[in-house]
Amino acid sequence: EAQVTQNPRYLITVTGKKLTVTCSQNMNHEYMSWYRQDPGLGLRQIYYSMNVEVTDKGDVPEGYKVSRKEKRNFPLILESPSPNQTSLYFCASSFSPNTEAFFGQGTRLTVV
Amino acid sequence: GESVGLHLPTLSVQEGDNSIINCAYSNSASDYFIWYKQESGKGPQFIIDIRSNMDKRQGQRVTVLLNKTVKHLSLQIAATQPGDSAVYFCAENISGGGAQKLVFGQGTRLTINP
Repeated sequence: EAQVTQNPRYLITVTGKKLTVTCSQNMNHEYMSWYRQDPGLGLRQIYYSMNVEVTDKGDVPEGYKVSRKEKRNFPLILESPSPNQTSLYFCASSFSPNTEAFFGQGTRLTVV
Repeated sequence: GESVGLHLPTLSVQEGDNSIINCAYSNSASDYFIWYKQESGKGPQFIIDIRSNMDKRQGQRVTVLLNKTVKHLSLQIAATQPGDSAVYFCAENISGGGAQKLVFGQGTRLTINP
């Protein structure tokens, strides 16, 4: 089944404790992105990747890092999480920049 | 600027009726638009898309209309069913320099009443 898989689905952590949210897609897509969803603000792009080893900032990249060492994986790294990074995170992938993006099930992160 | 907005945050319709969800966008250079459905606890799910060289596209029970003159999109759902209850987002696909960014509207919560 074609899908985007995120892990974990839920995470509660403390301020400053590094964490990684994994994302994997099995559709051989070149394009992958991370979004965060907040009430009243909708979904906003954090980072995106056009291919292996090619990443760039989206609209809200502060406090986040990503890597794209393999085509299928695009982990989101929070080196020092803060409470304002409490949010619902979605990973997405697409075949090209002008085709529909497929989303993962989301990761609900709480930073206390 | 880049923004996509929805006219109504909530919409309630009777089961079996048709529903229309509206969306305005601001970037006149955008050439690809997507409607997503998001159910509680799930990620956005693709419903239908439309490119700027079209003004109408139909799927199974759904139709998207695009009016480039007034920068307006609508999603029509025919014969609504309880499973249609969800939040619906329009998204403006912005691509350039090989990058892709989806600019989402705030979403409309559709409730289907029995």
